[in-house]
Amino acid sequence: DVKVTQSSRYLVKRTGEKVFLECVQDMDHENMFWYRQDPGLGLRLIYFSYDVKMKEKGDIPEGYSVSREKKERFSLILESASTNQTSMYLCASSLLAGQGANEQFFGPGTRLTVL
Amino acid sequence: ILNVEQSPQSLHVQEGDSTNFTCSFPSSNFYALHWYRWETAKSPEALFVMTLNGDEKKKGRISATLNTKEGYSYLYIKGSQPEDSATYLCAPESTSYGKLTFGQGTILTVHP
Repeated sequence: DVKVTQSSRYLVKRTGEKVFLECVQDMDHENMFWYRQDPGLGLRLIYFSYDVKMKEKGDIPEGYSVSREKKERFSLILESASTNQTSMYLCASSLLAGQGANEQFFGPGTRLTVL
Repeated sequence: ILNVEQSPQSLHVQEGDSTNFTCSFPSSNFYALHWYRWETAKSPEALFVMTLNGDEKKKGRISATLNTKEGYSYLYIKGSQPEDSATYLCAPESTSYGKLTFGQGTILTVHP
């Protein structure tokens, strides 16, 4: 089974702190994604990566950055956390498009609260 | 940002009822349409990935159809069970590296 793990299930940080959310997948997937989920807004794509060191902005990249130094690991960085970044963050991975339409496999999510 | 609409937003049914939801999406730049089920306290899981106009897929009591020309997909659940209670998400896939745009989801509650 594909396994996508995230470093924390719950995280509480203070405004202005630098926050790292880590995601690791064990299926050698090329694509990795970071979403946030807010009530009434569904899953919104923050950033994605289709290869090591490659990244693309999603629909809501402001206030975030990402890092992909190894194929299996994709990190989401909040340079200076703000209260409007309180949310559920989900990581996902999939095989590269062009090898068929491939489902995404999701991690368990990290619920981040910024005080 | 693609405009993806799901209806209804929420649905309450009795055990044994059959139900269906709708997903509307832009028909241009279409590559695939995904359906996911998201149960409380779990991760979203893929139900179907459909690519061809007229596609029909089935998994147990759940089935889905796809119309790419008019930009909609239906998800059907036959004989709903309490364990079907979840949020059902649809997401069209653009041609760019498997990027998905999710709708807001339909929240289904099946009462025993």
